[in-house]
Amino acid sequence: QVQLVESGGGEVQPGTSLRLSCVASGFNFRSYGFHWVRQAPGKGLEWVAVILPDGITKSYADSMRGRLTVSRDNSKGTVFLQLSSVRAEDTARYYCARDGTAWELLPPWGPGTMVTVAS
Amino acid sequence: QSALTQPPSASGSPGQSVTISCTGTSSDIGTYNYVSWYQQHPGKAPKLMIFAVTERPSGVPDRFSGFKSGNTASLTVSGLQAEDEADYFCSSYAGNSKGVFGGGTKLTVL
Repeated sequence: QVQLVESGGGEVQPGTSLRLSCVASGFNFRSYGFHWVRQAPGKGLEWVAVILPDGITKSYADSMRGRLTVSRDNSKGTVFLQLSSVRAEDTARYYCARDGTAWELLPPWGPGTMVTVAS
Repeated sequence: QSALTQPPSASGSPGQSVTISCTGTSSDIGTYNYVSWYQQHPGKAPKLMIFAVTERPSGVPDRFSGFKSGNTASLTVSGLQAEDEADYFCSSYAGNSKGVFGGGTKLTVL
């Protein structure tokens, strides 16, 4: 069955970098694009980034542009999100999800990985 | 890429219908038929309920329906049930391979 599992979160200090991973299984990984979405505690969803199946087409939220890098490793069925110069406002649960045909985020989503930025 | 506007809360009694609005701009909802809706129960990951404005993924009850007019999309839940109580988020494609979400609506079943 389709499964996505995020990892790489934890408590990090302001100004540092981190790399989140999303390991996918149960479907043809190479055929799908992937989104990253985040949710701060008690807040709404925020679209963060997308990487399309070609691995070349990438896009980022304007609010975080310049601090994000999304990539994929088709051989490992894994999508990555690198976030640099983290700030307190980056504290959130980060989810990955497959891209559908109409910009929808297909089910199932992963459980997410929690990032806490604190000194 | 401004957030879409949703009412913070909505409510209805079991069996009733409730509609949640989602207002964007001519740069997102008004131009693209790529509006989706997500249901999120506390402590759980969001779940896709509607995509492409009106389409339901398999397994989603037909009590859930979507609509769009101009820059505003809406989600209607008919025949409210206790398990429908959750947060609901709208989303739209915003051009240039970017997306945007609404702030979310907490649906309470009275």
